[in-house]
Amino acid sequence: QSVVTQPPSVSAAPGQQVSISCSGSGSNIGKNFVSWYQHFPGAAPKLLIYDNHKRPSGTSDRFSGSKSGTSATLAITGLQIGDEADYYCGSWDSSLIAYVFGDGTKVTVL
Amino acid sequence: QVLLQESGPGLVKPSQTLSLKCSISGGSINSGTFYWTWIRQPAGGALEWVGRIYSGGSTTYNPSLKSRVTILVDTSNNQFSLELTSVTAADTAVYYCARAEVTYSGDGVHYHFDPWGQGTQVTVSS
Repeated sequence: QSVVTQPPSVSAAPGQQVSISCSGSGSNIGKNFVSWYQHFPGAAPKLLIYDNHKRPSGTSDRFSGSKSGTSATLAITGLQIGDEADYYCGSWDSSLIAYVFGDGTKVTVL
Repeated sequence: QVLLQESGPGLVKPSQTLSLKCSISGGSINSGTFYWTWIRQPAGGALEWVGRIYSGGSTTYNPSLKSRVTILVDTSNNQFSLELTSVTAADTAVYYCARAEVTYSGDGVHYHFDPWGQGTQVTVSS
Protein backbone atom coordinates (compact mmCIF):
# COMPACT_ATOMS: atom_id res chain seq x y z
CA GLN A 1 0.00 0.00 0.00
CA SER A 2 1.32 3.39 -1.03
CA VAL A 3 2.21 6.02 1.59
CA VAL A 4 0.18 8.48 -0.49
CA THR A 5 -3.41 7.49 -1.18
CA GLN A 6 -5.82 8.48 -3.92
CA PRO A 7 -9.31 7.23 -4.74
CA PRO A 8 -9.19 4.48 -7.39
CA SER A 9 -11.66 6.26 -9.62
CA VAL A 10 -13.85 9.32 -10.04
CA SER A 11 -16.42 10.06 -12.71
CA ALA A 12 -18.72 12.80 -13.91
CA ALA A 13 -20.65 13.87 -16.98
CA PRO A 14 -19.13 16.08 -19.69
CA GLY A 15 -18.96 19.70 -18.60
CA GLN A 16 -19.06 18.83 -14.90
CA GLN A 17 -16.23 19.04 -12.35
CA VAL A 18 -14.29 16.31 -10.61
CA SER A 19 -11.88 16.53 -7.72
CA ILE A 20 -9.15 14.01 -6.96
CA SER A 21 -7.79 13.84 -3.44
CA CYS A 22 -4.22 12.94 -2.52
CA SER A 23 -3.59 12.11 1.12
CA GLY A 24 -0.12 11.78 2.59
CA SER A 25 1.70 12.53 5.80
CA GLY A 26 3.89 15.07 7.51
CA SER A 27 7.05 13.74 5.89
CA ASN A 28 5.84 14.09 2.31
CA ILE A 29 2.87 16.27 1.35
CA GLY A 30 2.85 18.02 4.74
CA LYS A 31 6.48 19.06 4.30
CA ASN A 32 7.12 19.34 0.55
CA PHE A 33 5.49 20.40 -2.67
CA VAL A 34 3.08 18.29 -4.70
CA SER A 35 3.01 17.61 -8.43
CA TRP A 36 0.34 15.95 -10.55
CA TYR A 37 0.69 13.83 -13.69
CA GLN A 38 -1.76 12.84 -16.41
CA HIS A 39 -1.20 9.41 -17.93
CA PHE A 40 -2.89 7.97 -20.98
CA PRO A 41 -2.30 4.20 -21.41
CA GLY A 42 0.64 3.52 -23.70
CA ALA A 43 1.89 7.11 -23.56
CA ALA A 44 4.42 8.97 -21.46
CA PRO A 45 3.04 10.54 -18.28
CA LYS A 46 2.71 14.31 -18.58
CA LEU A 47 3.37 16.92 -15.92
CA LEU A 48 0.06 18.66 -15.20
CA ILE A 49 0.64 20.66 -12.01
CA TYR A 50 3.81 21.41 -10.02
CA ASP A 51 4.58 23.23 -6.78
CA ASN A 52 1.05 22.41 -5.54
CA HIS A 53 -0.79 24.72 -7.93
CA LYS A 54 1.42 25.92 -10.79
CA ARG A 55 0.56 24.99 -14.37
CA PRO A 56 3.32 24.40 -16.92
CA SER A 57 2.79 25.93 -20.31
CA GLY A 58 0.44 23.66 -22.21
CA THR A 59 -1.71 22.72 -19.24
CA SER A 60 -5.27 23.93 -19.63
CA ASP A 61 -6.60 26.28 -16.95
CA ARG A 62 -9.41 23.75 -16.48
CA PHE A 63 -6.90 21.91 -14.28
CA SER A 64 -6.07 23.38 -10.88
CA GLY A 65 -4.20 22.15 -7.83
CA SER A 66 -4.27 22.98 -4.17
CA LYS A 67 -2.76 21.76 -0.92
CA SER A 68 -3.78 21.93 2.71
CA GLY A 69 -1.82 20.25 5.46
CA THR A 70 -1.05 16.67 4.47
CA SER A 71 -3.52 16.54 1.57
CA ALA A 72 -3.67 17.89 -1.94
CA THR A 73 -6.44 18.12 -4.50
CA LEU A 74 -6.58 18.21 -8.28
CA ALA A 75 -9.73 19.73 -9.74
CA ILE A 76 -10.82 19.38 -13.33
CA THR A 77 -13.58 21.70 -14.50
CA GLY A 78 -15.54 21.54 -17.75
CA LEU A 79 -14.81 17.83 -18.02
CA GLN A 80 -14.11 16.55 -21.53
CA ILE A 81 -13.93 13.08 -23.07
CA GLY A 82 -10.25 13.74 -23.71
CA ASP A 83 -9.65 14.05 -19.97
CA GLU A 84 -10.24 10.32 -19.48
CA ALA A 85 -6.89 9.16 -18.13
CA ASP A 86 -5.09 8.12 -14.98
CA TYR A 87 -3.91 10.89 -12.68
CA TYR A 88 -1.08 10.59 -10.16
CA CYS A 89 0.06 12.89 -7.41
CA GLY A 90 3.53 12.78 -5.94
CA SER A 91 5.88 14.41 -3.48
CA TRP A 92 9.35 14.01 -2.02
CA ASP A 93 9.32 12.11 1.27
CA SER A 94 11.92 13.55 3.61
CA SER A 95 11.82 10.52 5.94
CA LEU A 96 12.02 7.79 3.30
CA ILE A 97 14.52 9.84 1.26
CA ALA A 98 12.54 8.89 -1.81
CA TYR A 99 9.94 10.29 -4.15
CA VAL A 100 6.49 8.83 -3.51
CA PHE A 101 3.60 8.62 -5.95
CA GLY A 102 -0.03 8.17 -5.08
CA ASP A 103 -1.93 5.06 -6.09
CA GLY A 104 -3.39 6.78 -9.13
CA THR A 105 -6.98 7.75 -9.95
CA LYS A 106 -8.85 6.84 -13.11
CA VAL A 107 -11.09 9.62 -14.40
CA THR A 108 -14.12 8.46 -16.36
CA VAL A 109 -16.36 10.79 -18.32
CA LEU A 110 -19.88 9.40 -18.23
CA GLN B 1 13.00 20.73 -26.38
CA VAL B 2 14.53 17.95 -24.32
CA LEU B 3 13.52 14.44 -25.34
CA LEU B 4 14.25 11.19 -23.54
CA GLN B 5 14.28 7.71 -25.06
CA GLU B 6 14.64 4.40 -23.24
CA SER B 7 16.31 1.38 -24.81
CA GLY B 8 17.18 -2.13 -23.76
CA PRO B 9 16.06 -5.77 -23.82
CA GLY B 10 12.36 -6.37 -23.49
CA LEU B 11 12.82 -9.81 -21.95
CA VAL B 12 15.07 -10.76 -19.03
CA LYS B 13 15.36 -14.15 -17.37
CA PRO B 14 14.72 -14.52 -13.64
CA SER B 15 17.80 -14.00 -11.45
CA GLN B 16 19.56 -12.09 -14.23
CA THR B 17 20.29 -8.39 -14.52
CA LEU B 18 17.97 -5.88 -16.19
CA SER B 19 19.91 -3.17 -18.05
CA LEU B 20 18.35 -0.10 -19.65
CA LYS B 21 19.69 3.11 -21.13
CA CYS B 22 18.08 6.53 -21.45
CA SER B 23 19.33 8.75 -24.27
CA ILE B 24 18.88 12.49 -23.95
CA SER B 25 18.47 14.78 -26.96
CA GLY B 26 17.87 18.51 -27.18
CA GLY B 27 19.81 19.22 -24.00
CA SER B 28 22.85 18.25 -21.97
CA ILE B 29 22.86 15.83 -19.07
CA ASN B 30 25.19 18.31 -17.35
CA SER B 31 22.82 21.27 -17.48
CA GLY B 32 20.91 22.79 -14.62
CA THR B 33 19.73 21.47 -11.31
CA PHE B 34 18.33 18.29 -12.76
CA TYR B 35 18.26 14.76 -11.48
CA TRP B 36 18.01 11.99 -14.06
CA THR B 37 15.49 9.45 -12.89
CA TRP B 38 14.06 5.99 -13.43
CA ILE B 39 10.40 5.26 -12.68
CA ARG B 40 8.51 2.04 -13.33
CA GLN B 41 4.91 0.90 -13.56
CA PRO B 42 3.77 -2.73 -13.36
CA ALA B 43 0.74 -3.68 -15.38
CA GLY B 44 -2.36 -2.40 -13.62
CA GLY B 45 -0.23 -0.81 -10.93
CA ALA B 46 0.94 2.58 -9.81
CA LEU B 47 4.06 4.52 -10.69
CA GLU B 48 7.07 3.62 -8.55
CA TRP B 49 10.17 5.82 -8.22
CA VAL B 50 13.25 3.66 -8.71
CA GLY B 51 16.05 6.16 -8.21
CA ARG B 52 17.97 9.17 -9.50
CA ILE B 53 21.41 10.40 -10.43
CA TYR B 54 22.88 13.88 -10.61
CA SER B 55 25.23 14.67 -13.47
CA GLY B 56 28.12 14.66 -11.01
CA GLY B 57 27.34 11.03 -10.21
CA SER B 58 25.63 11.19 -6.81
CA THR B 59 22.72 8.76 -6.55
CA THR B 60 19.64 8.12 -4.42
CA TYR B 61 17.67 4.90 -4.65
CA ASN B 62 14.26 3.70 -3.53
CA PRO B 63 14.92 1.99 -0.18
CA SER B 64 12.86 -1.01 -1.30
CA LEU B 65 15.19 -1.59 -4.27
CA LYS B 66 18.43 -0.14 -2.98
CA SER B 67 20.32 -3.42 -2.64
CA ARG B 68 19.71 -4.31 -6.31
CA VAL B 69 19.82 -0.98 -8.17
CA THR B 70 22.64 0.93 -9.81
CA ILE B 71 22.16 4.10 -11.85
CA LEU B 72 25.10 5.45 -13.80
CA VAL B 73 25.66 8.54 -15.90
CA ASP B 74 27.55 8.57 -19.21
CA THR B 75 28.22 12.23 -19.93
CA SER B 76 30.21 11.54 -23.08
CA ASN B 77 27.17 9.95 -24.71
CA ASN B 78 24.58 12.13 -22.96
CA GLN B 79 22.96 9.05 -21.45
CA PHE B 80 22.23 7.47 -18.14
CA SER B 81 21.53 3.86 -17.34
CA LEU B 82 19.73 1.52 -14.95
CA GLU B 83 20.90 -1.87 -13.74
CA LEU B 84 18.63 -4.02 -11.58
CA THR B 85 20.10 -7.30 -10.40
CA SER B 86 18.49 -10.60 -9.38
CA VAL B 87 15.22 -9.82 -11.11
CA THR B 88 11.97 -11.68 -10.49
CA ALA B 89 8.54 -11.54 -12.07
CA ALA B 90 7.74 -8.69 -9.68
CA ASP B 91 10.16 -6.52 -11.65
CA THR B 92 8.08 -6.86 -14.81
CA ALA B 93 6.95 -3.34 -15.65
CA VAL B 94 7.10 -0.45 -18.04
CA TYR B 95 10.26 1.48 -17.21
CA TYR B 96 10.35 5.23 -17.79
CA CYS B 97 13.23 7.62 -17.64
CA ALA B 98 12.49 11.21 -16.70
CA ARG B 99 14.19 14.48 -15.84
CA ALA B 100 13.52 15.77 -12.35
CA GLU B 101 13.78 19.44 -11.49
CA VAL B 102 14.63 19.68 -7.81
CA THR B 103 15.05 22.85 -5.78
CA TYR B 104 14.96 23.59 -2.07
CA SER B 105 13.32 26.44 -0.22
CA GLY B 106 12.32 27.23 3.32
CA ASP B 107 8.91 25.82 2.45
CA GLY B 108 10.18 22.40 1.44
CA VAL B 109 11.42 20.42 -1.53
CA HIS B 110 10.17 21.43 -4.95
CA TYR B 111 10.27 18.28 -7.07
CA HIS B 112 8.66 17.42 -10.39
CA PHE B 113 9.32 15.29 -13.47
CA ASP B 114 9.34 16.78 -16.94
CA PRO B 115 9.84 15.47 -19.56
CA TRP B 116 9.38 11.70 -19.52
CA GLY B 117 10.43 9.10 -22.02
CA GLN B 118 7.84 6.99 -23.80
CA GLY B 119 8.63 4.00 -21.62
CA THR B 120 9.88 0.52 -22.42
CA GLN B 121 8.24 -2.75 -21.41
CA VAL B 122 10.49 -5.19 -19.59
CA THR B 123 9.21 -8.67 -18.88
CA VAL B 124 10.96 -11.06 -16.53
CA SER B 125 10.32 -14.60 -17.66
CA SER B 126 12.21 -17.78 -18.46
